[in-house]
Order: sequence, then structure tokens, then C-alpha cells
Amino acid sequence: DTGVSQDPRHKITKRGQNVTFRCDPISEHNRLYWYRQTLGQGPEFLTYFQNEAQLEKSRLLSDRFSAERPKGSFSTLEIQRTEQGDSAMYLCASRSDGGNIQYFGAGTRLSVL
Amino acid sequence: AQSVAQPEDQVNVAEGNPLTVKCTYSVSGNPYLFWYVQYPNRGLQFLLKYITGDNLVKGSYGFEAEFNKSQTSFHLKKPSALVSDSALYFCAVRGPDSWGKLQFGAGTQVVVTP
Repeated sequence: DTGVSQDPRHKITKRGQNVTFRCDPISEHNRLYWYRQTLGQGPEFLTYFQNEAQLEKSRLLSDRFSAERPKGSFSTLEIQRTEQGDSAMYLCASRSDGGNIQYFGAGTRLSVL
Repeated sequence: AQSVAQPEDQVNVAEGNPLTVKCTYSVSGNPYLFWYVQYPNRGLQFLLKYITGDNLVKGSYGFEAEFNKSQTSFHLKKPSALVSDSALYFCAVRGPDSWGKLQFGAGTQVVVTP
């Protein structure tokens, strides 16, 4: 069990650039979640995948955000035309069918200059 | 809609003393309740959960939590705090009719002094 892996750990970008983050869930976990955490706040739900299907998206996920999980394994979260307000920690979590515990990765910290 | 409240931004406790971190929740139906801990620049680590059964739940690192349905609370406790327990603690709730997404509280910073 190698845990949930996220890449990169840190990303610094200029406003207006596109960024993409990757999440590798625990092997055979078919449920995958993305959350966003800003300073001083708890994580907020962004989107949920069951296998390759994106079943729920938060209204926080504007049109500039897109997430995929093409083969039901790893997932990517892309932010287009980044804004300073996108600066946050982006967390990925996974859980198994029938399991109740979500296991989190270390996160990707995005700084938009 | 579901929500979680952690009324204390910070809890200060001396090493060896009991530690309590408060959490209250609101959810339709029976709640699934969780506590996670976060160390600086790290993701969240699972501590314990309540799904059903005994109201007193034991978890990792000597932590426990008590589910109180009438008070809609799920306070985290540790009988004897360690300096290494200093971290950010999050309470979370999952509604029974969701895809499992968690609603988190704002977090409580625990500071344990030697």
C-alpha cells in the first residue's frame, strides 16, 4: 500500500497560465475525490469519480476547472487561465467500494502570482 | 444540507493533561462522522470514525471520540496529550445519501506545551 500520491507537491505559476495536477489513488480504490483547502479553512469538496465516471461536481468547480479519470485509475485536475484566487492546496482522496474511510494524498500547493 | 462546526480556533494544553477538541454537526439522517489530523504542509491523516454502534469510538495514537446524538456532537479526546499531538484537527461529516463527499469543519489548532 503506497498511499495516495499527488504530483507536483508545489506549483508556482503566473496568472493566466494553465496548470495540471495528477493524483494516483491507492491501488484498486475505485472512488476518488478532489478537495480544495485555503488557508485557515477546512477542505472543500470539488468533484467525485467512481471509476472513470465523474458523478458529482461542486459549484466551486467553475468552467475553468476540469477533472478527468480516463481509465479509472489516476486522475488529473486542470485549471485554465489561473487567477490569484485559485491559490490553495488541492487534495486528492480515495476509498474502496464499501469502505468508509477516505485516504488523502499530501496535496499540491498552488501559488498563482 | 450538512454542516460541521468546530467552535474553537485553537486549543492550548500542557503535556500530560487531557485534550478535548469540540465538534458539532448537522445532517439529515444518520451521520457518518470522522476526525482527521493535518501536520504542516501535509495531507490529512485519518484518526477515527463513527458509523454505527458504540458511542465511544477509539482511534489511532490514543485518541477517542464520543458520539452524542441528542447534542449532535462528536468531540475528540485524549487522556494525556503529547507535544507531538500539536497539529490541526478537522472534524468531518458525511450524509448517508451522498456519494461519500465529506463536509469539513474549519479546523482546530492544537498546541501542546512541554
